[in-house]
Amino acid sequence: GNSVTQMEGPVTLSEEAFLTINCTYTATGYPSLFWYVQYPGEGLQLLLKATKADDKGSNKGFEATYRKETTSFHLEKGSVQVSDSAVYFCASREGSNYKLTFGKGTLLTVNP
Amino acid sequence: DAGVIQSPRHEVTEMGQEVTLRCKPISGHNSLFWYRQTMMRGLELLIYFNNNVPIDDSGMPEDRFSAKMPNASFSTLKIQPSEPRDSAVYFCASSLGAGETQYFGPGTRLLVL
Repeated sequence: GNSVTQMEGPVTLSEEAFLTINCTYTATGYPSLFWYVQYPGEGLQLLLKATKADDKGSNKGFEATYRKETTSFHLEKGSVQVSDSAVYFCASREGSNYKLTFGKGTLLTVNP
Repeated sequence: DAGVIQSPRHEVTEMGQEVTLRCKPISGHNSLFWYRQTMMRGLELLIYFNNNVPIDDSGMPEDRFSAKMPNASFSTLKIQPSEPRDSAVYFCASSLGAGETQYFGPGTRLLVL
């Protein structure tokens, strides 16, 4: 079946540092890929998505590129802020199916 | 605009008690999802409704869990009897359609003693 593997946290960075959170997927077809963010005490929010190979999703300074050859969708940000402290989830979805497959989540803490 | 609304936000109960979690999806959304989040298992889909009809309940752990959606603006997840291993955060999410972006509620943090 489908699965998503993301780097285990926690990740602790200083403000303005570069962020990478790795995510790889397995799927039978060509899934859509997502990054969700969960701020403390809140539900998950869609951060960005990509629906086909070589697509780049971007939002709030975060980026991720759909790499079919490496089955990856790594999340990056050039300069993190304290307000980026949250749990980040990578997810996949086959076609227009309803079912999202989530990774375990990566806790990011950004210190001033 | 109001997002997905869940109540209660926190629930502490004793083993054996009945627990009812409530969800109001975003108006106009026809798909509703219940998820459970734990440290050990991450996020798990419990049940999916489309147009108020349960489509996939394969994630419901056992007969102690039941979910209903009597109308387009309300859903409940019930655990009876509750057990300590049910302690988790339960999220409700809704979307315009099955393959559309899911919007999550703030969750209900359940602790069963």
